[in-house]
Amino acid sequence: EAGVAQSPRYKIIEKRQSVAFWCNPISGHATLYWYQQILGQGPKLLIQFQNNGVVDDSQLPKDRFSAERLKGVDSTLKIQPAKLEDSAVYLCASSGPLTNNEQFFGPGTRLTVL
Amino acid sequence: SQQGEEDPQALSIQEGENATMNCSYKTSINNLQWYRQNSGRGLVHLILIRSNEREKHSGRLRVTLDTSKKSSSLLITASRAADTASYFCATDAGNQFYFGTGTSLTVIP
Repeated sequence: EAGVAQSPRYKIIEKRQSVAFWCNPISGHATLYWYQQILGQGPKLLIQFQNNGVVDDSQLPKDRFSAERLKGVDSTLKIQPAKLEDSAVYLCASSGPLTNNEQFFGPGTRLTVL
Repeated sequence: SQQGEEDPQALSIQEGENATMNCSYKTSINNLQWYRQNSGRGLVHLILIRSNEREKHSGRLRVTLDTSKKSSSLLITASRAADTASYFCATDAGNQFYFGTGTSLTVIP
């Protein structure tokens, strides 16, 4: 079974630029999560999708962050414009009806904002 | 923040010893999960304990949950160098999912 795929693995941008991350969850997983993990901290949930609907985006900074999952499969997270404090690893995870609430994580995208 | 707090922040032990890490949280939960993260990698699920359970075992892992104290502990017995990683608790309160701050475990061969 293929795992959660994320791209790119690394990204370096200047502040005020835009950036997008892509995630392809495990096949059949209806729930998709985006997390932000700042160095030395635990992951912080940014947004949770159930199929193509948003379940929770209470911690998403909506003035600059957006996410979509148009067809209920893969998802894109965008930051526009980026700030220095957005430097972090962005993790995507998925879960499904047979995973017993276990989330499967991708390798993450390490973003550096200069 | 509704994130859990983990204690200790860092733990260093000799191979073969047991490692215990604790997690405290603030809200009522449906279940609590523990994850491991090796340096530079994604998280891997270890074990889930439901709110109506008090103790659960999986291999060398033992998890306890005290909902009255809003706390959980993870015990790793007979530790190995390969157990070196960061360990996070995560609380599931229905539609809200929060990770703790993590414990960094170093197992010295």
